[in-house]
Amino acid sequence: DTGVSQDPRHKITKRGQNVTFRCDPISEHNRLYWYRQTLGQGPEFLTYFQNEAQLEKSRLLSDRFSAERPKGSFSTLEIQRTEQGDSAMYLCASSPPRDRGTEAFFGQGTRLTVV
Amino acid sequence: GQQLNQSPQSMFIQEGEDVSMNCTSSSIFNTWLWYKQDPGEGPVLLIALYKAGELTSNGRLTAQFGITRKDSFLNISASIPSDVGIYFCACPGGKLIFGQGTELSVKP
Repeated sequence: DTGVSQDPRHKITKRGQNVTFRCDPISEHNRLYWYRQTLGQGPEFLTYFQNEAQLEKSRLLSDRFSAERPKGSFSTLEIQRTEQGDSAMYLCASSPPRDRGTEAFFGQGTRLTVV
Repeated sequence: GQQLNQSPQSMFIQEGEDVSMNCTSSSIFNTWLWYKQDPGEGPVLLIALYKAGELTSNGRLTAQFGITRKDSFLNISASIPSDVGIYFCACPGGKLIFGQGTELSVKP
């Protein structure tokens, strides 16, 4: 297994367009997290899945943001009607079932630029 | 909400020097994680601590889980230029909660 994989690595989009990012977690990791990070800041929590269930969503996640994990494997994060303030690095992480550890491993991120 | 306070915010050191940074919380956590992030990349896990008082090493890195379970520190010995980056502490509490980061610059 090569770790958490995110696609694309970079995305430039025009304001108002929709974008979708994909995250493939480490196999057998049942927990998956999405974070957003802007320059000079730590990662900000967006949402968290355990298997296919979305267990927590941040208040940061406006109605324009939606995340899915339909079969409890890969996840997608969609941003509708993008705004310039959405420009950030979007990070995905996964971690194993709690009885096997609580470390979270991150992907390389998707850098979104809204112009 | 739960917060981790990380200090210092930034450090400028000479190659070969030792570095120490720490993280404190008002809440008790059962796990402390330390990550390093290079520009344009995702955070990479360096050390995981599971037991109060635990001291764990990974090469030149040493981290300790505070006895009160409300703090942790990370030491880097004999720093080298590739140690440059941002170091984050994090604690799992459902979601992962992050500190604000310590930016390390190493002068050759």
